[in-house]
Amino acid sequence: EAGVAQSPRYKIIEKRQSVAFWCNPISGHATLYWYQQILGQGPKLLIQFQNNGVVDDSQLPKDRFSAERLKGVDSTLKIQPAKLEDSAVYLCASSPTGGGGAGELFFGEGSRLTVL
Amino acid sequence: GENVEQHPSTLSVQEGDSAVIKCTYSDSASNYFPWYKQELGKRPQLIIDIRSNVGEKKDQRIAVTLNKTAKHFSLHITETQPEDSAVYFCAAGRRALTFGSGTRLQVQP
Repeated sequence: EAGVAQSPRYKIIEKRQSVAFWCNPISGHATLYWYQQILGQGPKLLIQFQNNGVVDDSQLPKDRFSAERLKGVDSTLKIQPAKLEDSAVYLCASSPTGGGGAGELFFGEGSRLTVL
Repeated sequence: GENVEQHPSTLSVQEGDSAVIKCTYSDSASNYFPWYKQELGKRPQLIIDIRSNVGEKKDQRIAVTLNKTAKHFSLHITETQPEDSAVYFCAAGRRALTFGSGTRLQVQP
């Protein structure tokens, strides 16, 4: 079974530039999450999708971050404009649990963003 | 929202000793409590989980206990081995998971 795919693995940009990350979840997984993991910290939830609908985006900085899930499968996370404090690993995770309930998360390798 | 606190932040043990990591959570509605292991530069991977209708779960050298009344849960690793060295995260939630800040476990050979 293929795992969660993410790209790019690494990205370096200047502050105020934009960046986009892509995620392809495990086939059949209805729930998709984007987490931000700053070095030395635990993952912090940015947004949760159930199929192609948003379940929770309360911690997404909506003035600069946006995310969408196309046709309930792939997802993209965009940052525009980036700030220095956005330097982190962006982890995509999917879960087979239906109804939006919490269950095992399967993480991708992550996309490491460095903002200079 | 949910708030998860995790202690200690670092833990060093001798090979063969036991290690215990503790977490507390704030939202009594949380019903799922997993533990993830993250090696340097790798993705977090689930090692054990427990739901709120169970008080304890064991899988070989790893066990998790849950006290719903006190809102805390713990990870116990027995007979530690050097390959157990990693960062461990607890998490809690009902829909999405809130993670603790992590415990860096170092097992000295």
